[in-house]
Amino acid sequence: QKEVEQNSGPLSVPEGAIASLNCTYSDRGSQSFFWYRQYSGKSPELIMFIYSNGDKEDGRFTAQLNKASQYVSLLIRDSQPSDSATYLCAVPLGGNEKLTFGTGTRLTIIP
Amino acid sequence: DVKVTQSSRYLVKRTGEKVFLECVQDMDHENMFWYRQDPGLGLRLIYFSYDVKMKEKGDIPEGYSVSREKKERFSLILESASTNQTSMYLCASSLMGGELFFGEGSRLTVL
Repeated sequence: QKEVEQNSGPLSVPEGAIASLNCTYSDRGSQSFFWYRQYSGKSPELIMFIYSNGDKEDGRFTAQLNKASQYVSLLIRDSQPSDSATYLCAVPLGGNEKLTFGTGTRLTIIP
Repeated sequence: DVKVTQSSRYLVKRTGEKVFLECVQDMDHENMFWYRQDPGLGLRLIYFSYDVKMKEKGDIPEGYSVSREKKERFSLILESASTNQTSMYLCASSLMGGELFFGEGSRLTVL
């Protein structure tokens, strides 16, 4: 079982719709969760993090965390072509500073 | 803005050669990381350093070593390059937690 698991996609979403990206993790003790975006040919950049159960909103992005189910998701509202990228879920497994990344979900927004 | 600079964007080396990948950050961050990124495998941590001269193995340290003599500089060394080390290498730094700032990457090809 992978420690941080994501559907690789590709996920295609029409422009203006909601894109939903999912991630599961193996360490029940994990306390913080991070979403990175990686454009093709570029390096990852942090877009959201969440520590508490429930939802966290930042503009068009919402991170959702359910620790009981070991599940974290990222919703992108009013999707734009510029949101087309690979989205990486990352979790510091074992309670330390070292992030373990999922393999990423490739998202394409269709104009 | 945080800047993480990797010395070489593209390298081509021969099997058995010694390879140095250099990384410098300008934000006085405590933590520095070396990841490699491969299609289908995602980002995998090679080594991590949380202070000068301090290092910890990541998930795939075999065939690699690191050096951190100064806070701002973290080097990845391939003692004897092999073809299975052909990859994109990403350096990152962080002050704390999971907010990593990545360099532009070094694409290494080993022939």
